[in-house]
Amino acid sequence: GQQVMQIPQYQHVQEGEDFTTYCNSSTTLSNIQWYKQRPGGHPVFLIQLVKSGEVKKQKRLTFQFGEAKKNSSLHITATQTTDVGTYFCAGPGGNNRLAFGKGNQVVVIP
Amino acid sequence: DAGITQSPRHKVTETGTPVTLRCHQTENHRYMYWYRQDPGHGLRLIHYSYGVKDTDKGEVSDGYSVSRSKTEDFLLTLESATSSQTSVYFCAISKTSGSTDTQYFGPGTRLTVL
Repeated sequence: GQQVMQIPQYQHVQEGEDFTTYCNSSTTLSNIQWYKQRPGGHPVFLIQLVKSGEVKKQKRLTFQFGEAKKNSSLHITATQTTDVGTYFCAGPGGNNRLAFGKGNQVVVIP
Repeated sequence: DAGITQSPRHKVTETGTPVTLRCHQTENHRYMYWYRQDPGHGLRLIHYSYGVKDTDKGEVSDGYSVSRSKTEDFLLTLESATSSQTSVYFCAISKTSGSTDTQYFGPGTRLTVL
């Protein structure tokens, strides 16, 4: 079935620095979604990208969908302690399912 | 979020015992899902439902069964719990807004099988 790969799996980021997390698929995706899970919490929907080359921003977060619709990235600027958590990307899995990546766990160093 | 509750929130049980986890939603969404989350594996789909009495297997369904006799409730049963089923279990619903089908997750159930 559909698989999305996320890199890196873990990141330690100094507070105030920028970082990027990536999501890759071997096949073309009709859309890609991003979720965030805070430590001890549940995944929460952040955004969906649909168009080739699409870029969307949410405050310090910038989401991008690749031109070939096979990859996506999430870039966070000026990292804050509230950015700690695991970021998941998810592609369509057929039959109204989602195929989640394994996540990128982000630790913020004060 | 989306009126999803899970019960129990925490459970410790012994190997070989049956366990049932409950997911309840208040908004009549058609699609419901059960995932398990383990370190290094992300979210893996166990079973899902596309209506009352309509269910199908996910990628890690062995050892699990589900039932949906009412729109609002989706039950996950471990017939005979094993230590490998120690995990955090999340229920989710799918909500459509415009062209976006988004999943909303319950708070999770932490299950420990001794």
